[in-house]
Amino acid sequence: QVQLVESGGGVVQPGRSLRLSCAASGFAFRTSGIHWVRQAPGKGPEWVATISNDGSNTYYADSVKGRFTISRDNSKNTLYLQMNSVRAEDTAVYSCAKDFRGGTHFWGQGTLVTVSS
Amino acid sequence: DVVMTQSPLSLPVTLGQPASISCRSSQSLVYSDGNTYLNWFHQRPGQSPRRLLYKVSVRDSGVPDRFSGSGSGTDFTLKISRVEAEDVGVYYCMQGTHWPPLTFGQGTRLEIK
Repeated sequence: QVQLVESGGGVVQPGRSLRLSCAASGFAFRTSGIHWVRQAPGKGPEWVATISNDGSNTYYADSVKGRFTISRDNSKNTLYLQMNSVRAEDTAVYSCAKDFRGGTHFWGQGTLVTVSS
Repeated sequence: DVVMTQSPLSLPVTLGQPASISCRSSQSLVYSDGNTYLNWFHQRPGQSPRRLLYKVSVRDSGVPDRFSGSGSGTDFTLKISRVEAEDVGVYYCMQGTHWPPLTFGQGTRLEIK
């Protein structure tokens, strides 16, 4: 069955960097666009970034543009989110998700990132 | 960006009674391919959101048929024909027509009276 398992979260100081990973299985990863979404404590979901199946196209929310980078390694079935210059407002559960538009949607359980000094 | 506005934000419902949530978008969600990319999600505490419906009214696998979606253009509705205890939580609408960015509604919290 489809699995998306995030890792790499933790406590990070403001201004520092963190890299999140999302390991995918159970579907054709290399043919799927994938998204990062986040949810701050007590808030609704917020879309963060999207990458096309071959990595040639990437899209970012204005709130993270220039600071976060989405990438993927299709040989490892893994998605990444490089988070630089993190801010307190980046504190959230970060999840990877596939296929919002179509019939094969899946949303991972997420990894918690806490930005605090 | 497309703004998604849900109402009500809080919805107390008696078990076995129907419930309805409205979602309005700031512009039409009809895409150039003729589809309307409007999703509904349900989130229980401590869990990731689970998609219930996509393209306005198509139920995801395993979703009970007491959940239904309707609407067109900018006005959409999620209906639960008879609320059960497991339906408590927060419901979100989300549009995937005009992206980036994908945008979500503020959420509607359903509770049992």
